[in-house]
Order: sequence, then C-alpha cells, then structure tokens
Amino acid sequence: AQKVTQAQTEISVVEKEDVTLDCVYETRDTTYYLFWYKQPPSGELVFLIRRNSFDEQNEISGRYSWNFQKSTSSFNFTITASQVVDSAVYFCALSEASISNNFNKFYFGSGTKLNVKP
Amino acid sequence: GAVVSQHPSRVICKSGTSVKIECRSLDFQATTMFWYRQFPKKSLMLMATSNEGSKATYEQGVEKDKFLINHASLTLSTLTVTSAHPEDSSFYICSAGYRGALYYGYTFGSGTRLTVV
Repeated sequence: AQKVTQAQTEISVVEKEDVTLDCVYETRDTTYYLFWYKQPPSGELVFLIRRNSFDEQNEISGRYSWNFQKSTSSFNFTITASQVVDSAVYFCALSEASISNNFNKFYFGSGTKLNVKP
Repeated sequence: GAVVSQHPSRVICKSGTSVKIECRSLDFQATTMFWYRQFPKKSLMLMATSNEGSKATYEQGVEKDKFLINHASLTLSTLTVTSAHPEDSSFYICSAGYRGALYYGYTFGSGTRLTVV
C-alpha cells in the first residue's frame, strides 16, 4: 500500500537558516509521482514540485531544492536562507502514475509545520 | 494554467442544515474530481473520487448518504454535506486532473472552511 511519512511535525528556525524537510514514502508501484505542496494559513495548497519516479535528478529552484533518492525512498526538501514568508505547513504527497487515461488520488504525508522566526 | 474555482471559501451553518460546496474547472474539462477533507492540524484525507457522468467512489468509512457528490458536467462537481453536525466542521478541498499537451497534472481548489454550530 502507498504511504507517505513526514516524521517532523514542526520545525522552528531563525531567518536565514537552511532547513530540510524530510519525506519518506512506500509504494509497490514502479512508476509514480512525488509532490511537495505548501499550505499557508489561508489553506490553499501551493504546488512546489512534481517528480517522476524515473527521474532521480535533484532539482533546484531559487532557494528551494529537492533530493530524490529511490534507494532510500526519500524525497527531501531543503529551503536555503529561510525567510519569514516560508512559514507554512508543507506536505509531501505520492500519486500513482496515470494509466488508461485515469487520474489517481494523492496520498499525503501528515505535513511539517515550518516556523521561520525573524 | 488549469484552475479550479471553489466556493464558498468559508461557510457557517446551523446543525441539521445542508451545505453545498462547488468546484468549477475554469479552463479545462475536469473528467475526474477528488474531494479531500482536512481536520485542523492534520493531513488531507481523500473522501471520494468522482468521474463525470458516473457515481462517485467513496473511501472506506465515508458516509455516501451524508456527503453527496454530484459531477454532472465536465466543469462542475459539487459536494453536499447533508444534515451537518459540529463533527463535520472541517476544511474541504477539491482537486481535478487535467491534461496538457505533453503531460498531465493536478490542480487544487482553494478550499472551503465549514463550521457547523
């Protein structure tokens, strides 16, 4: 069965510190997608990244970077030089790859609340 | 990009009344809509999956008679919480799959915060 684990419930850092949010997943599928979403207090989910299971290249987008390691079933997210505006709940999610034109549900982790203090 | 508009964003209703939440796809055809529920400080849990023109598929433990889902068109899916009670107070969010030229993706509505008093 699919499962996503975010062991860190809450993290507090001081502005400009780097912070890594951990995500470990379980799936029996060979093809799947991994996602990270940001949820600010207003509630909407802000898409950050989607990664195909065949693509293990790390990705960097500005202050954000992601480390995907299939060998350890992990998809960790690092924020460099954190800012107060980064304060939010971050969710890691897993979805099976689409077959037969079907869209598939997400399995969300429990979320990590990041507090960035000035 | 693909946008799903979800309304209302907040609703307060009296216990025993019904509440309807709408999700509209603005610039694509949403053949599949997912409805998630999020309790305070908790993760998002899938309630049901609806495909246009067919009955929704509910996750185990979700009461289909209480959470009515209608997906009668390719641009509109609705979730009706019937005879709402305080324990139904939660954050409800819809998600739709869409197909682009080269790949497919998912987009989420902005969510509805339901408070039953």
